[in-house]
Amino acid sequence: QITLKESGPTLVKPTQTLTLTCTFSGFSLSTSGVGVGWIRQPPGKALEWLALTYWDDEKRYSASLKSRLTITKDTSKNRVVLTMTNMDPVDTATYYCARRFRYSSGWGGLDYWGQGNLVTVSS
Amino acid sequence: QPVLTQPPSASASLGASVTLTCTLSSGYGDYKVDWYQQRPGKGPRFVMRVGAGGIVGSKGDGIPDRFSVLGSGLNRFLTIKNIQEEDESDYHCGADHGSGSNFAWVFGGGTKLTVL
Repeated sequence: QITLKESGPTLVKPTQTLTLTCTFSGFSLSTSGVGVGWIRQPPGKALEWLALTYWDDEKRYSASLKSRLTITKDTSKNRVVLTMTNMDPVDTATYYCARRFRYSSGWGGLDYWGQGNLVTVSS
Repeated sequence: QPVLTQPPSASASLGASVTLTCTLSSGYGDYKVDWYQQRPGKGPRFVMRVGAGGIVGSKGDGIPDRFSVLGSGLNRFLTIKNIQEEDESDYHCGADHGSGSNFAWVFGGGTKLTVL
């Protein structure tokens, strides 16, 4: 059974750095063809992709947020960490992590998601 | 990168069928799109991936046979037959684009499906 769970603060102040952890089970980020990404969703709004890390340590970032994001993985602990600097109230959102997998037919979508971590940015 | 457009809302009666549409921007007719279901207060759930030729790969875990997809031109459709109350959700489409430093993952605005 594949599960992912986000953890981190629910409230951060403007200008602070947000650190979120995705802890997963049922798969390994040391396996070829596996990736874990972060996606956020402001209240009542659309999904927005943030970053992805892959088994080979390749990383991908949203162009508009790249300067503020860092994604790292700890394969031994089955964790992926996202940091976002200089938080602003517009960054208030539910932050999700999700898995990406390469099937025999090629790369698939984000096939397993966590339940999300609502982060409010306010002083 | 592509832009994905979805109608903001749709409705269907219990037991009826509904087709949701995700439209790719011009020039991206060969792109695959993923459909996600998001029930109220929950995280998204992968439904399936669809290309111009239909489903790509397998459905997500636990997705009923009532859900099917079709691709045509710039449109990627999700059809739900025999709608149940549990199908009332937001449905999002998404697509990955590019590689390396120009990689991006884009999502549509989502369609809220109401079951009457």
